[in-house]
Amino acid sequence: DAGVTQSPTHLIKTRGQQVTLRCSPKSGHDTVSWYQQALGQGPQFIFQYYEEEERQRGNFPDRFSGHQFPNYSSELNVNALLLGDSALYLCASSSRAGANVLTFGAGSRLTVL
Amino acid sequence: QKEVEQNSGPLSVPEGAIASLNCTYSDRGSQSFFWYRQYSGKSPELIMSIYSNGDKEDGRFTAQLNKASQYVSLLIRDSQPSDSATYLCAVSLWNNDMRFGAGTRLTVKP
Repeated sequence: DAGVTQSPTHLIKTRGQQVTLRCSPKSGHDTVSWYQQALGQGPQFIFQYYEEEERQRGNFPDRFSGHQFPNYSSELNVNALLLGDSALYLCASSSRAGANVLTFGAGSRLTVL
Repeated sequence: QKEVEQNSGPLSVPEGAIASLNCTYSDRGSQSFFWYRQYSGKSPELIMSIYSNGDKEDGRFTAQLNKASQYVSLLIRDSQPSDSATYLCAVSLWNNDMRFGAGTRLTVKP
């Protein structure tokens, strides 16, 4: 049973560029949440997708956008990258019908130069 | 005020001792409470969940919840060097929106 898979694992971008990160949820999960984790900090909630719609959003600017596909996979897009966007981006999946227990992927490490 | 607050540590305990990790949260509407462990360079993994006041034990781990005080704790008995990690407290609101604390770094010394 595959867990949560994320791609790419590492990437380097320059300021002003755009990036797309991808996530496939654990089998049986229908909800995907995205988190940003800066070095030495806890994960910060970006947004959550369920039934292909953004359901909840944290305190992140509109440069951060996402999408969920009919197969429950999801993308996180970040436009106009800033140095401060350098972080580990974590995707977590869960089942809406379950107890909201998150299963995390290994993350995508983004470095903005 | 942060939504979820933890002492950042580091917390250092000798092998075999009890490690005590604490967390407070601000939203009284919080429904579910979790402890995640995160090894350096890895993603968080769930170790305990608790939903009602009181204690919940799972092996060497005990989670404690006091909703009136808006306080969650994690006790690790017989601490092992392999327990050395960052422990993240997470709180889920009524809308399944989960928020994390900054984490407490634990070091268990042999």
